[in-house]
Amino acid sequence: DVKVTQSSRYLVKRTGEKVFLECVQDMDHENMFWYRQDPGLGLRLIYFSYDVKMKEKGDIPEGYSVSREKKERFSLILESASTNQTSMYLCASSLVGRRNTEAFFGQGTRLTVV
Amino acid sequence: DAKTTQPPSMDCAEGRAANLPCNHSTISGNEYVYWYRQIHSQGPQYIIHGLKNNETNEMASLIITEDRKSSTLILPHATLRDTAVYYCIVSVKDDKIIFGKGTRLHILP
Repeated sequence: DVKVTQSSRYLVKRTGEKVFLECVQDMDHENMFWYRQDPGLGLRLIYFSYDVKMKEKGDIPEGYSVSREKKERFSLILESASTNQTSMYLCASSLVGRRNTEAFFGQGTRLTVV
Repeated sequence: DAKTTQPPSMDCAEGRAANLPCNHSTISGNEYVYWYRQIHSQGPQYIIHGLKNNETNEMASLIITEDRKSSTLILPHATLRDTAVYYCIVSVKDDKIIFGKGTRLHILP
């Protein structure tokens, strides 16, 4: 079974903490994505990586950074967590450069910043 | 980027076919139509995709109009487990997948 695994299902952090959300995929996919999902706003793309050490900003990158040192792992970093970053975070992966292929999603990390 | 329009919610009786419409009038010739669904508290799940021809797999059928400006996802025999938000996506610019608001499908017992 193909798999995208997010390191935590639930996470509670304090305001100002540096937070790392980890995502690992075992499908040798080039593309990896981080989304956040909030009620009424749907899934919004934060960052996208199409290769190791390569990244592109999505629609809402402010307050976030990412790291992709290995092909299978894509980390989302909240440099200084704030309460407005309380959200569900979803990681996904897909093959590169092919318009006729699907993305696979992890189960999500529900982050609460207090 | 091509945009999609979906009804915000729909109801379907259990055991009946659920037909979920999607308008994508600005789709370009090489853009695929994808459908995903998201069951509560889970990550989105791929359902099906197509370019021009109708497609069928074990989960659903996808009917794309000849002018490609709209499509319909068909769940042939809906069950309570099909209750989810269904997303129609045609905007896959540079491999980035951009989600809209989707259709919340309620399967009624």
